[in-house]
Amino acid sequence: EAQVTQNPRYLITVTGKKLTVTCSQNMNHEYMSWYRQDPGLGLRQIYYSMNVEVTDKGDVPEGYKVSRKEKRNFPLILESPSPNQTSLYFCASRTHPGLAYEQYFGPGTRLTVT
Amino acid sequence: AQTVTQSQPEMSVQEAETVTLSCTYDTSESNYYLFWYKQPPSRQMILVIRQEAYKQQNATENRFSVNFQKAAKSFSLKISDSQLGDTAMYFCAFRHGGSQGNLIFGKGTKLSVKP
Repeated sequence: EAQVTQNPRYLITVTGKKLTVTCSQNMNHEYMSWYRQDPGLGLRQIYYSMNVEVTDKGDVPEGYKVSRKEKRNFPLILESPSPNQTSLYFCASRTHPGLAYEQYFGPGTRLTVT
Repeated sequence: AQTVTQSQPEMSVQEAETVTLSCTYDTSESNYYLFWYKQPPSRQMILVIRQEAYKQQNATENRFSVNFQKAAKSFSLKISDSQLGDTAMYFCAFRHGGSQGNLIFGKGTKLSVKP
């Protein structure tokens, strides 16, 4: 089954404790990205990756890091989480060419930073 | 910069009736794509319908159809014969035509279908 998986689905942590949210896709997609969803703000892109070892900032990259060492994986790293990073996070992927290809979303990760 | 505006934070409709969700966008580009995503209480993002800007014909998917007005930069979603399972947040999204294009989302419309 074609899918994007994220782990963990729920995470409660404390300020400053480094964490990683994993993302993996099994569709051989080149393009992957991370979004955060906050009430009243919709989804905003954090980082994206065009392919292995190619990453770039989205609209709200502050406080986040990413890496793309393998095509299928695109982890999101919070080196020193803060309460304003409490949010719902989505990983997404799509194939490369710029047509209207569907972007597949993971199930979401609910992060709470206290 | 591209922006997407959904002016209706919440809407409700009776089961079996028709409802239209509004979306406007701002761009100077001519090659782009528009999408409607549904997010039910499970939080999963589900693609409802997509529209290529170069196509004049409005996209349809079963009970879902769009009214794409390119000159007015408007992209509304019509849901016919509303069902209880249509209750969800609906997000309008824009992506320009380049391969690097990321999705730009509106703030969403919460739709409630009442029995």
